[in-house]
Amino acid sequence: DIQMTQSPSILSASVGDKVTITCRASQNTNNWLAWYQQKPGKAPKVLIYEASTLETGVPSRFSGSGSGTEFTLTISSLQPDDFATYYCQHYNGYSWTFGQGTRVEIK
Amino acid sequence: EVYLVESGGGLVQPGGSLRLSCATFGLSFSQTWMSWVRQAPGKGLEWVGRIKSKSAGGTTDYASPVKGRFTISRDDSKNTLYLQIDSLRTDDTALYFCATEYYTFHNHWGQGALVTVSS
Repeated sequence: DIQMTQSPSILSASVGDKVTITCRASQNTNNWLAWYQQKPGKAPKVLIYEASTLETGVPSRFSGSGSGTEFTLTISSLQPDDFATYYCQHYNGYSWTFGQGTRVEIK
Repeated sequence: EVYLVESGGGLVQPGGSLRLSCATFGLSFSQTWMSWVRQAPGKGLEWVGRIKSKSAGGTTDYASPVKGRFTISRDDSKNTLYLQIDSLRTDDTALYFCATEYYTFHNHWGQGALVTVSS
């Protein structure tokens, strides 16, 4: 089974900072890689799919990049609403695997 | 607007069974492939399983840890998805989300149903 590893697990940042989260896959993903934001007690919300496509309605400060086995979620200027946990997710055609999550907290 | 509403969660003893429901609104349910995803308290997201639309065969796929104990079904006449969980274990304690599939990701999610397995 494919393993998805995110880094860092916790990220401390300030409003206005540029933030980068990395997701590494143990094998090729065909770029079927999505990023989600989750706030406590709420359902996840998709931000990016197929590695770099911004979901409709998601602010343009969010961007995704990468291919193959290494991917990045970037928040260009962190806003107060962005403090949350972020997950990467890979689809292999019949199942999904999530990364362990990255919590973005206030510095 | 699309809404997904889970129900049926609660406190169950180890070894017991439970059926979760996911009522859907605002989408063409019969054509939608659906998943269940769970989240143990304080932990990350774990995909549990999925069911395809009947036009795509209506087949199911499950994560290895739940295969044989979890059964996903659908009632297109009621626009509702189900998750039957048997032989419940304490490590099944989690918030269970239903979600719609859109090609390679999940684009709509319910608010979750909490299942607590404890004696």
